[in-house]
Amino acid sequence: DGGITQSPKYLFRKEGQNVTLSCEQNLNHDAMYWYRQDPGQGLRLIYYSQIVNDFQKGDIAEGYSVSREKKESFPLTVTSAQKNPTAFYLCASNQGSWYGYTFGSGTRLTVV
Amino acid sequence: GEDVEQSLFLSVREGDSSVINCTYTDSSSTYLYWYKQEPGAGLQLLTYIFSNMDMKQDQRLTVLLNKKDKHLSLRIADTQTGDSAIYFCAPTGNYGQNFVFGPGTRLSVLP
Repeated sequence: DGGITQSPKYLFRKEGQNVTLSCEQNLNHDAMYWYRQDPGQGLRLIYYSQIVNDFQKGDIAEGYSVSREKKESFPLTVTSAQKNPTAFYLCASNQGSWYGYTFGSGTRLTVV
Repeated sequence: GEDVEQSLFLSVREGDSSVINCTYTDSSSTYLYWYKQEPGAGLQLLTYIFSNMDMKQDQRLTVLLNKKDKHLSLRIADTQTGDSAIYFCAPTGNYGQNFVFGPGTRLSVLP
């Protein structure tokens, strides 16, 4: 079955550490996205990539980094510069402009 | 940029109809999507409407679009407990980007 896999489902990080969230898709979608969701709030765009080896900042990119070396993969690194990283992170993909998203099941990151 | 608003909460009785409303600001939105999020899960694409349509029906779901007022609604007929979730409205932007989501409406279905 085609879909998006995010791992791990739960992640705990100590303050000052970088962590990497994995996102893999086998839908052959060109575009991939990372969103952050905080309780009671909507989704906020962190980074997106419309093609391999290219990505753009979203509304809240500070403290995050991404790479897009393969079409299937779009990992997100939460760096120690991110002041408040505790949140639910969602990865999504689509075929391109105007198409709806397919979402992964999310990674819940908690800073301890 | 696009601004999308939704009421945050809605409670209905099982078997009643639910109507979830959304207003947006970008009149060039071409496709307008509805997503459903169950607790602890990702979002699931529910349905969409193209901007040249007024209404689209898909089984228990009816989407209404008032393009003049930039108002979108999702009606769920015969609401069931399994419909309890957060519903997000997401209009596409100028170049087809689907970047902006509404804050979500939490639907609670009471027995």
